[in-house]
Amino acid sequence: GDSVTQMEGPVTLSEEAFLTINCTYTATGYPSLFWYVQYPGEGLQLLLKATKADDKGSNKGFEATYRKETTSFHLEKGSVQVSDSAVYFCALSVALGTYKYIFGTGTRLKVLA
Amino acid sequence: DTGVSQNPRHKITKRGQNVTFRCDPISEHNRLYWYRQTLGQGPEFLTYFQNEAQLEKSRLLSDRFSAERPKGSFSTLEIQRTEQGDSAMYLCASSPLVPNEQFFGPGTRLTVL
Repeated sequence: GDSVTQMEGPVTLSEEAFLTINCTYTATGYPSLFWYVQYPGEGLQLLLKATKADDKGSNKGFEATYRKETTSFHLEKGSVQVSDSAVYFCALSVALGTYKYIFGTGTRLKVLA
Repeated sequence: DTGVSQNPRHKITKRGQNVTFRCDPISEHNRLYWYRQTLGQGPEFLTYFQNEAQLEKSRLLSDRFSAERPKGSFSTLEIQRTEQGDSAMYLCASSPLVPNEQFFGPGTRLTVL
């Protein structure tokens, strides 16, 4: 079945370090891919998305490229800040008669000053 | 700009009691989704509505769970005869028909004692 696999956390980085959070997926059809962020005590917020192969989603310095050949959608940021500390979820939507999202287990990021 | 709202934010109940949660979606959104999130996991799909029609239900949605969206606006999720395993965060999301970009509420945290 359709699934999303994320790298396990927590990921601990110093401020201004480079961030990569790996995400790979298994899906039938041609999914749309998303990254959501969940700050402590808050709901999920859409960070970025990509709807077809080779699309790059970007927002707030974060980027992810939809790689169909490697079924991946890795999240990157060149220079993290303490305020980026949160849990990051990769998700997919398979547009084959269903509109549900399938989420990964989440990766907790902690950025130290 | 009014986002998705959920009430209550927290609910503590005793095993065997019934509970009901409410979700108010973004007003112009046709689709409404319910997910469940347990500690350390990503959200898992429960069900979704398009307007007032419930179009898909996960096998996670046992017969103790029922969801309604009577006028195509707000939705309720009821759990009958709660069990300790029902303890989780219940998330509501809404989206327009196109694109399938889901906006999440803050969630209702249920604790079953």
